Amino acid sequence: DIQMTQSPSTLSASVGDRVTITCRASQSISSWLAWYQQKPGKAPKLLIYKASSLESGVPSRFSGSGSGTEFTLTISSLQPDDFATYYCQQYNSYFSVTFGQGTKLEIK
Amino acid sequence: EVQLVESGGGLVQPGGSLRLSCAASGFTFSSYWMSWVRQAPGKGLEWVANIKQDGSEKYYVDSVKGRFTISRDNAKNSLYLQMNSLRAEDTAVYYCARGDYLRAFDYWGQGTLVTVSS
Repeated sequence: DIQMTQSPSTLSASVGDRVTITCRASQSISSWLAWYQQKPGKAPKLLIYKASSLESGVPSRFSGSGSGTEFTLTISSLQPDDFATYYCQQYNSYFSVTFGQGTKLEIK
Repeated sequence: EVQLVESGGGLVQPGGSLRLSCAASGFTFSSYWMSWVRQAPGKGLEWVANIKQDGSEKYYVDSVKGRFTISRDNAKNSLYLQMNSLRAEDTAVYYCARGDYLRAFDYWGQGTLVTVSS
């Protein structure tokens, strides 16, 4: 099975900061990587798919990059609504899908 | 508007069974893979199972193989998860999600809580 490792687990930042979250796959997944945002008590929300494609309606301050085994999610200028938990997910195949352990983005 | 609405969660004793349902609307249900994803209290997301558009292929995370069965009824626009031999570690919010080849899990339900406890 493909393992996904996110870092950091917790990130403290301020409004206006630029932040980057990293996700590493245990083997190549090409660009089959998605990023989700989850707020407490809510379902996850798709932000980025195919590593770098922005989901419709998601603000352009969110961007994704990478391929193979190394991926990043960048928020260019943090807004108050962005404080949440972020998950990466590999979907290289339908018979095994895995999520990273999550990164909690907190207000500094 | 795409909507996914889960139901069927609740409190069940260890070793018991529960059947979750997910009612889909706003899209052609039979054209999409569907999935179940769970989240234990205070923990991260864990994919549970996938089912192909026509139900001919089903895949599970190792921890539920042989205990859980995913199914669908395209005529009723519904997804199901039959959970048997439940364990305390199955306690979680269970989400159904639409699977898109390109866009991964693009729509999610609001979740239904399953609590396994005596």
